[in-house]
Amino acid sequence: AQSVTQLGSHVSVSEGALVLLRCNYSSSVPPYLFWYVQYPNQGLQLLLKYTTGATLVKGINGFEAEFKKSETSFHLTKPSAHMSDAAEYFCAVLYSGGGADGLTFGKGTHLIIQP
Amino acid sequence: DAGITQSPRHKVTETGTPVTLRCHQTENHRYMYWYRQDPGHGLRLIHYSYGVKDTDKGEVSDGYSVSRSKTEDFLLTLESATSSQTSVYFCAIRPDRGRGHPSLHFGNGTRLTVT
Repeated sequence: AQSVTQLGSHVSVSEGALVLLRCNYSSSVPPYLFWYVQYPNQGLQLLLKYTTGATLVKGINGFEAEFKKSETSFHLTKPSAHMSDAAEYFCAVLYSGGGADGLTFGKGTHLIIQP
Repeated sequence: DAGITQSPRHKVTETGTPVTLRCHQTENHRYMYWYRQDPGHGLRLIHYSYGVKDTDKGEVSDGYSVSRSKTEDFLLTLESATSSQTSVYFCAIRPDRGRGHPSLHFGNGTRLTVT
């Protein structure tokens, strides 16, 4: 079975400060890992994904995440927060041999940007 | 929105009535998914499909059924709606291969209220 834990349902940072959203996963086989962003009243948009290869993954809007197998983590970072980053962020995992299986999502982290 | 249209976008219905939500894709992808999103729960998989007439249950399938008679359409039916099914419902597709694989691409959601 696979699962995702996002630490902190709400994270507040000041504009210009580092953004760090934490994600830990549980998977018995090599996972595929994802971060999605959701703006109010919209669907989910893919920020970045890890499948194979380089463990530091760069995504859209200046975000990046690093796959750390030893820590079973896939934390999302951005060096300098912008007001437009305020949104809900979801980490997700897919069992790499899962065929048609859907992604398993964490419960989400609401990112608040203080002016 | 990766060629995904959900209809209706909003619906209010009464307890005990049947409701059908539609997901239409223009991408001709094999895999399609229905999720529900609730505060504090993130996204949870209801049902998914891996081809015409091929469907399977997800994590929270009780009270829901699905049908897929054409590649482009995936229908979610609440046979007898209950207040606990008040939620936002998202449809997603997954490319079989290529640049978008294995990410999910989401529609804009249907907000369902059961009174």
